[in-house]
Amino acid sequence: GAVVSQHPSRVICKSGTSVKIECRSLDFQATTMFWYRQFPKQSLMLMATSNEGSKATYEQGVEKDKFLINHASLTLSTLTVTSAHPEDSSFYICSVPANEKLFFGSGTQLSVL
Amino acid sequence: GQQLNQSPQSMFIQEGEDVSMNCTSSSIFNTWLWYKQDPGEGPVLLIALYKAGELTSNGRLTAQFGITRKDSFLNISASIPSDVGIYFCAGLSTLGTYKYIFGTGTRLKVLA
Repeated sequence: GAVVSQHPSRVICKSGTSVKIECRSLDFQATTMFWYRQFPKQSLMLMATSNEGSKATYEQGVEKDKFLINHASLTLSTLTVTSAHPEDSSFYICSVPANEKLFFGSGTQLSVL
Repeated sequence: GQQLNQSPQSMFIQEGEDVSMNCTSSSIFNTWLWYKQDPGEGPVLLIALYKAGELTSNGRLTAQFGITRKDSFLNISASIPSDVGIYFCAGLSTLGTYKYIFGTGTRLKVLA
């Protein structure tokens, strides 16, 4: 499988600031990574597919200018929540597909005040 | 976004009891995955299924890939308190785009 490291695990920020979340694939070259969002007691909702060296593919209803994704190498994808607002508070999780399985990072709990 | 129907939504069981949950879809999937998620953590892969009819075990866990390729089942035998958590199924869709679709989750609580 793939070992996925995600940082930070928790972030609290003021409304209007930007927050960057990093997702690293430690032992697998990931040409693709997925970013999910999870609200309390709900399932995981796919936000976007991060593609190494090219633009991310966003799911319907996800604002690409709000959630900036950069996948500059085979081991790192970043999600930047720009001008965060309280409604962006959520649990964000990245994942790496490997051999038809999906391996997740430990998640980032974002709280916007 | 698209989700798979998972049932039951939640369940309380006594320690030692067996647990069953299932996941259904209107679409065909080529791969089914089952995960467990603890609070504040990312989901952890339990079992992966790749062929219709496949039955796979991982310790006390057993999962099956439905013959129609539109459903999957997870059974937990002799539950213990650490089985508490949320269980998610996921199907790999390769129609059009390559993406994983998640079930709505089953919240399991085990009473000692």
